[in-house]
Amino acid sequence: EPEVTQTPSHQVTQMGQEVILRCVPISNHLYFYWYRQILGQKVEFLVSFYNNEISEKSEIFDDQFSVERPDGSNFTLKIRSTKLEDSAMYFCASRWTLEGNTGELFFGEGSRLTVL
Amino acid sequence: DQQVKQNSPSLSVQEGRISILNCDYTNSMFDYFLWYKKYPAEGPTFLISISSIKDKNEDGRFTVFLNKSAKHLSLHIVPSQPGDSAVYFCAARYLTGNQFYFGTGTSLTVIP
Repeated sequence: EPEVTQTPSHQVTQMGQEVILRCVPISNHLYFYWYRQILGQKVEFLVSFYNNEISEKSEIFDDQFSVERPDGSNFTLKIRSTKLEDSAMYFCASRWTLEGNTGELFFGEGSRLTVL
Repeated sequence: DQQVKQNSPSLSVQEGRISILNCDYTNSMFDYFLWYKKYPAEGPTFLISISSIKDKNEDGRFTVFLNKSAKHLSLHIVPSQPGDSAVYFCAARYLTGNQFYFGTGTSLTVIP
């Protein structure tokens, strides 16, 4: 069964360092997402990506964050100058949609980011 | 702004009985609703969905009910099994939008 894969599963970084989280969405999916979940809190939307550009982003997704689909298979989330409050589980998700098809999200297993 | 709310952080149910998980939303423009299940150290997995044109959708042991006037949906699991123990997230979106809005989750424990 096709799945969304994420690497690394866990990353520990020092405050102020840059982090890149990688995702390989399901191959025929068209929409890509990043969500995060701070421990004990809700799953929060960060950004959605379609047709090689950001289609929606939340208030959390400020200039510190960027996304890229560099090679047609990977989908990356870059966090510049990490802060303590960036510590969270980051989930990549993808969705296939055709007009009129609502399409549920398929999630990866998450990348846990710990900022010290 | 919490547009999707799950007011019960946890629920315990005996094996074989019915589990009812509840979700409320504030935005009347939502027209597609989903339930996800999440085990520890795994990503959420899709369980069942319902569009706003329906009031019930059933898939095996899982049934989702939607009450649009009350802006409320619920997930019924019958009969509950120990393997159902997980965190359940309710989510909603606009049919024309890309963003899915998630609740805070309800941790279900099914006691053997």
